[in-house]
Amino acid sequence: QVQLVQSGSELKKPGASVKLSCKASGYTFTSYGMNWVRQAPGQGLEWMGWINTNTGNPTYVQGFTGRFVFSLDTSVSTAYLQISSLKADDTAVYYCARGILGVLPDYWGQGTLVTVSS
Amino acid sequence: QSALTQPPSASGSPGQSVTISCTGTRSDVGGFNYVSWYQHHPGKAPKLMIYEVTKRPSGVPDRFSGSKSGNTASLTVSGLQAEDEADYYCSSYAGSNTLVFGGGTKLTVL
Repeated sequence: QVQLVQSGSELKKPGASVKLSCKASGYTFTSYGMNWVRQAPGQGLEWMGWINTNTGNPTYVQGFTGRFVFSLDTSVSTAYLQISSLKADDTAVYYCARGILGVLPDYWGQGTLVTVSS
Repeated sequence: QSALTQPPSASGSPGQSVTISCTGTRSDVGGFNYVSWYQHHPGKAPKLMIYEVTKRPSGVPDRFSGSKSGNTASLTVSGLQAEDEADYYCSSYAGSNTLVFGGGTKLTVL
């Protein structure tokens, strides 16, 4: 069965970096895109963008450019989200989600809570 | 790329039906038949309930149905059950390999 297993919660200080992982199983990793979605506390789901698992080409939504980097290791069917220069506003749950036709999420990971606090 | 508009809340008694709307523009909801609906229980992974406006993934009860008219999509939950209480989000393809979500609707089963 399709599974996306994300890395555990992170507590970081402002200015630090964090790299989250999303390990896929149960399907051919490169046959679907991988989306990243943020949910800030008390807020809704916000699409951050996606990465083409065939080409490695990422697409970032406005507001998630510069400090956010999507990457892959196809040898272990894993997608990564790296966030640099962390701010308190980055405190959120980050989800990965498999994408049909690239950007249409179907299966989701369980989410990773990132807390940024001094 | 603005979020799709959903009502913040909806409610119904067990056994009743409730419909949640999702309003966009002709650049997203109105322009493509790629509207999805997700059920999200806090602390859990969102679950796909409807895709391509009207289609239900395997395992989703037929109490859940989707439709679209113009720039507005809708999710109807019939025969409400206590376990349906959750947050519901719509999403739509918005062209050029982009996606947009709605703001979410908290469904309460009274």
